[in-house]
Amino acid sequence: QKEVEQNSGPLSVPEGAIASLNCTYSDRVSQSFFWYRQYSGKSPELIMSIYSNGDKEDGRFTAQLNKASQYVSLLIRDSQPSDSATYLCAVSRPKTDKLIFGTGTRLQVFP
Amino acid sequence: GAGVSQTPSNKVTEKGKYVELRCDPISGHTALYWYRQSLGQGPEFLIYFQGTGAADDSGLPNDRFFAVRPEGSVSTLKIQRTERGDSAVYLCASSLLTARPGTGELFFGEGSRLTVL
Repeated sequence: QKEVEQNSGPLSVPEGAIASLNCTYSDRVSQSFFWYRQYSGKSPELIMSIYSNGDKEDGRFTAQLNKASQYVSLLIRDSQPSDSATYLCAVSRPKTDKLIFGTGTRLQVFP
Repeated sequence: GAGVSQTPSNKVTEKGKYVELRCDPISGHTALYWYRQSLGQGPEFLIYFQGTGAADDSGLPNDRFFAVRPEGSVSTLKIQRTERGDSAVYLCASSLLTARPGTGELFFGEGSRLTVL
């Protein structure tokens, strides 16, 4: 079992719809959770971080964390074609700065 | 510079050769990370440094891989006797030291694409 699992996609949504991206992790002691966006041929960039159970909203993005279910999600409201990218889920454990990434989910937003 | 700088951006080498990849982190960032990414995969952790020392090198695949950061700034990833399976994009990232480990944002360079023929 991989430490961080994501559906590779592609996830296709129409412009203006809500895109829902999901991630599960295997290590129950994981404490910090991140979503990075990676455009094709580019490097990852951080879009959201979440550390406690519940929802965290930032503009059109909402991260959701459920530690009991070991599940993290990212919702993108009013999806735009410019949101088309691979979204990487990453987790870290206590007392370490080491970040473990999932394989990423490719999102395609069509006009 | 303003961001993480990696050189070379592209490296083509022959099987069995030695390769060095360089990373210049954001000024003031104490943590430096090396990842490698194959097509269609997420970044795979190799090693990270806090200052000059390797805090965790558990991701280095074997003893052909070695990384240094002698002055706590620039880092070099060294690969001996390269194999075709080493072909990937090698990503470097840096971050600030935070009060709570694991919460700092990683800033990535554009990567060094290594091709082993």
